[in-house]
Amino acid sequence: EAQVTQNPRYLITVTGKKLTVTCSQNMNHEYMSWYRQDPGLGLRQIYYSMNVEVTDKGDVPEGYKVSRKEKRNFPLILESPSPNQTSLYFCASAPGGTSYNEQFFGPGTRLTVL
Amino acid sequence: AQSVTQLDSQVPVFEEAPVELRCNYSSSVSVYLFWYVQYPNQGLQLLLKYLSGSTLVKGINGFEAEFNKSQTSFHLRKPSVHISDTAEYFCAVTTFTGNQFYFGTGTSLTVIP
Repeated sequence: EAQVTQNPRYLITVTGKKLTVTCSQNMNHEYMSWYRQDPGLGLRQIYYSMNVEVTDKGDVPEGYKVSRKEKRNFPLILESPSPNQTSLYFCASAPGGTSYNEQFFGPGTRLTVL
Repeated sequence: AQSVTQLDSQVPVFEEAPVELRCNYSSSVSVYLFWYVQYPNQGLQLLLKYLSGSTLVKGINGFEAEFNKSQTSFHLRKPSVHISDTAEYFCAVTTFTGNQFYFGTGTSLTVIP
């Protein structure tokens, strides 16, 4: 089944404890992206990648890191999480190295930083 | 930079009534436009998109949207809604380079039996 998977689905952590949220897709898509969803703010793009080893900042990159060493994986790293990073996070992928093809979204990761 | 404004945060509508969800965008360059839907506790899925050609775009589940360049709008419509249409709807935009992606704040559609 074609899908985007995220792990973990739920995470409660404390301020300053480094964490990684994994994202993997099995559709051979070039484009991958991370979004955070907050009430009243919709989804905001954190980082995106047009292909392996190519990443770029979205609208809200502060406090996050990403890497794209393989086509299928695009982990999101929070090196020193803070409470304002409590949010619902979505990973997405799309074919063709662009976001104007249909993006396929993962199920989301709900992160709480205490 | 691009931005998207969804004018209504919540839209209640009775079952089988028509609905219009409004979306306006701002951009200094040409854009592609999208509507995505998010059902409760799920990720997003694409409803429809406008890339070029006919300004009236038809999508899944009986939804359609019309691109109006002069009014910088991309309103979503459905002539008769069902209970199953209850969801959050997001308008979104990207540029011709197709890199950064901008969502609106969302419209919560509630269909009342």
